[in-house]
Amino acid sequence: EDQVTQSPEALRLQEGESSSLNCSYTVSGLRGLFWYRQDPGKGPEFLFTLYSAGEEKEKERLKATLTKKESFLHITAPKPEDSATYLCAALGMDSSYKLIFGSGTRLLVRP
Amino acid sequence: NAGVTQTPKFQVLKTGQSMTLQCAQDMNHNSMYWYRQDPGMGLRLIYYSASEGTTDKGEVPNGYNVSRLNKREFSLRLESAAPSQTSVYFCASSGDRVTFFGSGTQLSVL
Repeated sequence: EDQVTQSPEALRLQEGESSSLNCSYTVSGLRGLFWYRQDPGKGPEFLFTLYSAGEEKEKERLKATLTKKESFLHITAPKPEDSATYLCAALGMDSSYKLIFGSGTRLLVRP
Repeated sequence: NAGVTQTPKFQVLKTGQSMTLQCAQDMNHNSMYWYRQDPGMGLRLIYYSASEGTTDKGEVPNGYNVSRLNKREFSLRLESAAPSQTSVYFCASSGDRVTFFGSGTQLSVL
């Protein structure tokens, strides 16, 4: 069965303290690995798509990487405004774009 | 360009009442989805529509029905609401393998 697991469930960082969020997946025929940011009371906001092992994408203080078994979201020198829940999702072999979501990592960055 | 718009934002129902959640997208996407989000369980797919005129069950379809009214609109109906359907509901649409979400409907069933 296709599955996506994120760790840790929650992460507290001091402003400027870099860290990484993990997303491990078991998906048949991965067609894409997605990262989303979700703020309280809002819908998930698209960040990155990764398609193949070795691929990296960057946006401001965030960098996403992909291997054959997992993806990492690296946060460099975070700021309080980076506080949010980060969701990982995988797209497997299917005729439609049905995403398989992990349960998310709640990130809190303290000033 | 509003993206994915869903209404209402909040709703309180009594057990047994019915209601319809509305969703519209302006990105000309073929695929549309309804998810529910519960604490600790992530986003779970209720129903999806790969194209206008087609709908299919997702992971948790029991107690729900959907209608793909046209390419833009995809509604979710609760015929007889139950407390287990208390959740946050998200509509989404996808194109070029990227899925975009609405801002959600917080539903409480008493």
